[in-house]
Parts: sequence; C-alpha cells; structure tokens
Amino acid sequence: GAVVSQHPSRVICKSGTSVKIECRSLDFQATTMFWYRQFPKQSLMLMATSNEGSKATYEQGVEKDKFLINHASLTLSTLTVTSAHPEDSSFYICSARPVGQGANSPLHFGNGTRLTVT
Amino acid sequence: TQLLEQSPQFLSIQEGENLTVYCNSSSVFSSLQWYRQEPGEGPVLLVTVVTGGEVKKLKRLTFQFGDARKDSSLHITAAQPGDTGLYLCAGVDSGGGADGLTFGKGTHLIIQP
Repeated sequence: GAVVSQHPSRVICKSGTSVKIECRSLDFQATTMFWYRQFPKQSLMLMATSNEGSKATYEQGVEKDKFLINHASLTLSTLTVTSAHPEDSSFYICSARPVGQGANSPLHFGNGTRLTVT
Repeated sequence: TQLLEQSPQFLSIQEGENLTVYCNSSSVFSSLQWYRQEPGEGPVLLVTVVTGGEVKKLKRLTFQFGDARKDSSLHITAAQPGDTGLYLCAGVDSGGGADGLTFGKGTHLIIQP
C-alpha cells in the first residue's frame, strides 16, 4: 500500500518551453505533498509544499513563478516548470503522507522525473 | 537550522566486506529514518528508529539510534553488489523542513563484485 506514482519518469524539452510533472497517490489521500529537487550525487532538496485546495508554500530561494504547483485533489499534485532552461535540468521527486498520519510516520516517495532541458 | 552530518559521502568496497555509515547531529530528533535510493528512482524507506539506543535489524543491515537520539548508524555485514545505492538518513522533528525531515547528504555506496 501507500504507492505514489510520478509521471513522466523522463522528459526532454527545449529551452523556453514548459513541462508538467504529475504526482499521484494511488491508494491513499494526501492533503499535503512535497516536491524535491536532486542534483547528481547529492541529497534531496525540498522545493515546496503542495497544499490541497490552497496555495503552495515555497522554500527560500525557490521561484514560485517558475515552479508552479497545483494540488486540485487529494490524490494529485502537479509541478510545472515554466520557461525551462538548461540549469533546470535535474531529478524532481514528490512525496506524500496519508491523511491522518503524524509527522513521525514515513513519507512515500514517487520514482522521480528526470528533466533534461536542451 | 538543524543539520544532519552523514559520512562517508562515498564508499566503494569489495563484495563480502563490512561497512558502517554514520549520521550525526547536535539536535535531538523524535525519530530517524533510513532510506535507500537507486539511480533513477525515488527513495525507499528501510527503517525508522524511534527510541534512544534502539537497534533494528533488516537481514544484513543493522540500524542503531544513539542513546541521546542525536545520531544513528547503519552497519552492513558481508556487503553484496545488490546493496549498491544512495543511503539517506533523515531526522524527524518539528524543527526540520516543512516535510518534517532533515536529510543527510547521503552516502553513495558501491559494492564491487
């Protein structure tokens, strides 16, 4: 149980275009999902918290107008990288925790999306 | 800001050897999680340690939480090529990130056959 599906797993786009990444909780509901960015051989860096039905909360240094987050339902959050540039190339990962589970309970991670901007 | 120092950052050893990965902090955590991540995939939870001094075993992997709940270790016995991956420790506390976690920088482990 507690599966998080992320799509697409890989995407290549041209500089200046936008890319949407989906994060779905398949067998549970999540009022909050989290988006991370991971550079090669580095740990996860939290980018933003996606809140169902309200605005996302962004970490310091993350441009909210560049990384648009929508959490329209209890099972789906989307991250749109707008006007992508080569420096946005990275591995993006989402995570979610089932509704009702406390902060000590583990997060369930998606399999990540490898974004390459040419 | 809480910090979780993880070491070593990179480790390459031969199959059959033993190894230990450490996570240390000056902060107290309510619990600590260990994840393993393979290339191109998301992290997968291995174990959560909650009680100071707790030891948990997962086959050849032994996880320990320090008595003061500030540090943890992961010991792998007789490492195998299938153990290759990125190991992440994550401290759980309200003082961490919005996700409640403070991640270590990870240990890249390569087990050579």
